[in-house]
Amino acid sequence: DIQMTQSPSSLSASVGDRVTITCRASQGINNYLAWFQQKPGKAPKSLIYAASSLQSGVPSKFSGSGSGTDFTLTISSLQPEDFATYYCQQYDSYPYTFGQGTKLEIK
Amino acid sequence: QVQLVQSGAEVKKPGSSVKVSCKASGATFTSYTFSWVRQAPGQGLEWMGRVIPILDIANDAPKFQGRVAITADKSTSTAYMELSSLRSEDTAVYYCVREVAVAGVVPYFDYWGQGTLVTVSS
Repeated sequence: DIQMTQSPSSLSASVGDRVTITCRASQGINNYLAWFQQKPGKAPKSLIYAASSLQSGVPSKFSGSGSGTDFTLTISSLQPEDFATYYCQQYDSYPYTFGQGTKLEIK
Repeated sequence: QVQLVQSGAEVKKPGSSVKVSCKASGATFTSYTFSWVRQAPGQGLEWMGRVIPILDIANDAPKFQGRVAITADKSTSTAYMELSSLRSEDTAVYYCVREVAVAGVVPYFDYWGQGTLVTVSS
């Protein structure tokens, strides 16, 4: 199985900040990398697919980049509603696997 | 609008089976594929498998092979996940997820169901 490792596991930031979350795959995944946002007690929400393509309706403050094995999610101008847990996922090969999550908290 | 509506919470005994449904609306069912993802309490996300309704083909994660059956009923636009030989470690919220399946593009997740809590307890 492809291992997905996110860093950091948790992150404290202030409203208005810009933050970056990193996701590393244990082998190349051909940019088949997605990002999800999950708030407590809610289903995850899809943000990004193919490493850098925004899902419909997702604001442009979210951006993804990377290739090969190293990927990043950047969130600009943090707002209170952005504080959540973020997961990356590879869908290059079965079984699809997720990172362990990054909890973004208000400082 | 797109909706994935899952069946309600279940409480099951160890060794029994559970079948969770996911009814899709707002789009042509057979234009998409559907995955199932679970999340144990306080834990991360785990992919279980997927079904391609138009082909009646399923792919299961090795961890669940032999215990999971993922199917789809095109007549009712509903995907199903049945997990057997339940144990306490299977206590989790189970999500169905729609995958965008366009020719020439590897399917990717877009919409998620609301989740179904399955509790396994004696």
